[in-house]
Amino acid sequence: EPEVTQTPSHQVTQMGQEVILRCVPISNHLYFYWYRQILGQKVEFLVSFYNNEISEKSEIFDDQFSVERPDGSNFTLKIRSTKLEDSAMYFCASKRARLAGGTGELFFGEGSRLTVL
Amino acid sequence: AQRVTQPEKLLSVFKGAPVELKCNYSYSGSPELFWYVQYSRQRLQLLLRHISRESIKGFTADLNKGETSFHLKKPFAQEEDSAMYYCALSAGAGGTSYGKLTFGQGTILTVHP
Repeated sequence: EPEVTQTPSHQVTQMGQEVILRCVPISNHLYFYWYRQILGQKVEFLVSFYNNEISEKSEIFDDQFSVERPDGSNFTLKIRSTKLEDSAMYFCASKRARLAGGTGELFFGEGSRLTVL
Repeated sequence: AQRVTQPEKLLSVFKGAPVELKCNYSYSGSPELFWYVQYSRQRLQLLLRHISRESIKGFTADLNKGETSFHLKKPFAQEEDSAMYYCALSAGAGGTSYGKLTFGQGTILTVHP
């Protein structure tokens, strides 16, 4: 069964450094998402991406964050200058379009744990 | 605005006992409700969705629009049900949120032998 894959599984970085988290969504999916979960807190929506552009973003997703789908398969989340409070588990998810027989189900990756020191 | 509330952070039951994980939501339109489960060291995975009205692993959930609730129930809990359970809401087919899910805080269910 196809799965969403994420790399790296864990990254440790120094405050102020740039980080890129990578995701390979399921191949026939059209909607892509990033969520994050700070330890002990709820899973929070960051951004959704459809038709090669951001379709919605949360207030968390400020100018330090960007997303890209550079080659039709990868979907990346970049944090330009990491802060201590960016330490969290970051989940990528994808969804098939309804018209293509999809439902509301999001398929999640296993997550990338980011630790900012 | 969308909001999902799971009032219990922790829930412990014994094997064979009934279990109910509570979920209440706030949304002005017609939402789609989901339960996601995360077993230890595994990814979030869909357990069930209200529109399919199915029973997965013995779990059921009924959408009560009057009470704005979507509680998850199982009549006889098993040890393998121990996991983190998340209730989530999507704006639905008519919404413009592109399928964004809003999650509750999650409930850690522990089923003791």
